[in-house]
Amino acid sequence: QVTLRESGPALVKPTQTLTLTCTFSGFSLSTDEVCVSWIRQPPGKALEWLALIDWDDDKYYSTSLKTRLTISKDTSKNQVVLTMTNVDPVDTATYYCARGILDGGYLYYFDYWGQGTLVTVSS
Amino acid sequence: EIVMTQSPASLSVSPGERATLSCRASQSVTSNLAWYQQKPGQTPRLLIYGASTRATGIPARFSGSGSGTEFTLTISSLQSEDFAVYFCQQYHDWPPYTFGQGTKLEIK
Repeated sequence: QVTLRESGPALVKPTQTLTLTCTFSGFSLSTDEVCVSWIRQPPGKALEWLALIDWDDDKYYSTSLKTRLTISKDTSKNQVVLTMTNVDPVDTATYYCARGILDGGYLYYFDYWGQGTLVTVSS
Repeated sequence: EIVMTQSPASLSVSPGERATLSCRASQSVTSNLAWYQQKPGQTPRLLIYGASTRATGIPARFSGSGSGTEFTLTISSLQSEDFAVYFCQQYHDWPPYTFGQGTKLEIK
């Protein structure tokens, strides 16, 4: 059974660094041809893709946020960590991690999502 | 970056009726298109991938069609549990993956 769970602070002050952890089970990010992505959703708004790390440790980032994001994995702990520097109130959102599965070539769609964690950026 | 545009923004349909939701891509994504359902306070749920393949456990009343730039999600006979927000997402040309802004399906 595939599960993902996000954890991290509920409240962060502007300019601080946000660190989120995705703990997963039911698959391996070192041997299975899968990836884990971070996706966020501001209250009442659409989904925004942030970053992806795959089984081969390749990393990809949102063009608009790439200077602020770092994604990494700890395969021994089945965790993926996302850090976002210099947060701003506009970064207030529910942050999801999701498993990506290949649909031919190097094309992933997201088949399992975590429950999400709401992060509020406020002083 | 490929822009995904969904229409309508909201749709009111009576239970038992058919609902048709549209998604348009700013450039071709071939068939690399997924649909997700999101109920209030819940996580997105994968419905369709490859434009027309139902994900595991998704009822047959959900069907996807289209290719290139025009896609449709059809729910053939709406059940009460189907009223939710639906998002489309392209995974053809990334990064970045891009989502539509969503269609809210409401009870009429």
